[in-house]
Amino acid sequence: DIQMTQSPSSLSASIGDRVTITCRASQTINNFLNWYQQKPGKAPKVLIYGTSNLQSGVPSRFSGSGSGTDFTLTITSLQPEDVAIYYCQQTYSIPMYTFGQGTRLEI
Amino acid sequence: EEQLVESGGGLVQPGGSLRLSCAASGFALKNYGVIWVRQTPGKGLEWLSHIRSGNTSIYHADSVKGRFSIFGDKAKNSVFLEMNSLRVEDTAVYYCARVTRWEQPTGTIRARFCDLWGRGTLVSVSS
Repeated sequence: DIQMTQSPSSLSASIGDRVTITCRASQTINNFLNWYQQKPGKAPKVLIYGTSNLQSGVPSRFSGSGSGTDFTLTITSLQPEDVAIYYCQQTYSIPMYTFGQGTRLEI
Repeated sequence: EEQLVESGGGLVQPGGSLRLSCAASGFALKNYGVIWVRQTPGKGLEWLSHIRSGNTSIYHADSVKGRFSIFGDKAKNSVFLEMNSLRVEDTAVYYCARVTRWEQPTGTIRARFCDLWGRGTLVSVSS
């Protein structure tokens, strides 16, 4: 099974800050890496798919990068509505699409 | 509008059973893979089960193998999760999600991601 490890587990930043969350896979996942945002009481919402592709309707301040086993989600200018938990997910290993443990982002 | 709606959650005693439903509207669910994911209070997301497009193959996590079963009904445009021998630790919000593939004209798949989620249904296992 492929394990996904996110860091940090939580962080606090200020409005306008650049925020970076990292995700490491236990083996190479060939860029099959997605990022989700989950707000309290809501279902997860996809932000980035295939490492760096912005899902339709997602603000351009969100971006993703990486390769092999190491991946990054970046928010270039943090907004109040970005308070959420962020999860990475690998979909390389069918059928077990495992998630990272999540990163709680606070203002 | 494309939508997934889960139902069937509730309070059940340990050892009991529930059947969760994931009903699709606005699109044909049989053309997509579907996964079930659960989230325990204050915890992260756990992948549970996967049915591939066309209801061709099914898979379950070790934590639920032999107790949970995923299946699809094309006529109802729905996927179901049959849960038996429920344990206290199965208490969680259960989500279904559609798996979309990003495929190049050559047929190479570049990404698979969950682009549509239901709102979740709460399962509580307690005596």
